[in-house]
Amino acid sequence: DAGVTQSPTHLIKTRGQQVTLRCSPKSGHDTVSWYQQALGQGPQFIFQYYEEEERQRGNFPDRFSGHQFPNYSSELNVNALLLGDSALYLCASSSRRTIYFGEGSWLTVV
Amino acid sequence: ELKVEQNPLFLSMQEGKNYTIYCNYSTTSDRLYWYRQDPGKSLESLFVLLSNGAVKQEGRLMASLDTKARLSTLHITAAVHDLSATYFCAVFPQMNYGGSQGNLIFGKGTKLSVKP
Repeated sequence: DAGVTQSPTHLIKTRGQQVTLRCSPKSGHDTVSWYQQALGQGPQFIFQYYEEEERQRGNFPDRFSGHQFPNYSSELNVNALLLGDSALYLCASSSRRTIYFGEGSWLTVV
Repeated sequence: ELKVEQNPLFLSMQEGKNYTIYCNYSTTSDRLYWYRQDPGKSLESLFVLLSNGAVKQEGRLMASLDTKARLSTLHITAAVHDLSATYFCAVFPQMNYGGSQGNLIFGKGTKLSVKP
């Protein structure tokens, strides 16, 4: 049984560009959450998707948007990239009270 | 503002010693998670504590939860080098119980270094 899978694992973008990160939740999980983890910090909640709708959102600007597909997979889009967007982006899916994290996507903005 | 505070943030231990990491949180919650993160890696789930007084142990690590004090501890017994990592606690605020899952609030992490 595959766990939470994310792609790409590493990528480098230039300021002002746009990026799309992808996540496939663990089998049977219908809720996907995204977190941003800056270097040396704890993860920060970005938003959560359930039934293809954004259900909750953290304190992130509108440049951060997302989508959930009928198969429960999800995308995180970030527009107009800033240097400060450089971070590890983690996707989490959950079942009951256990929360599973993917391996993350390392984004470097130069 | 919901806060989760861990201390210490940095911990250097010698092998064989015992130590405790503390996690205080400011919101009502009866669900607390501990994760381990190795450098350049994602989060590995260690413990899920679901009720007041919950205690869980795995190997040299033992976690406990006191919801009245809003405090969780992660106790390390007879540390070994393999335990070197960053440990995060994360709280699931009770206001989320309307149906949302996954909206965890994390502490800043405790970077543990175990030296021979």
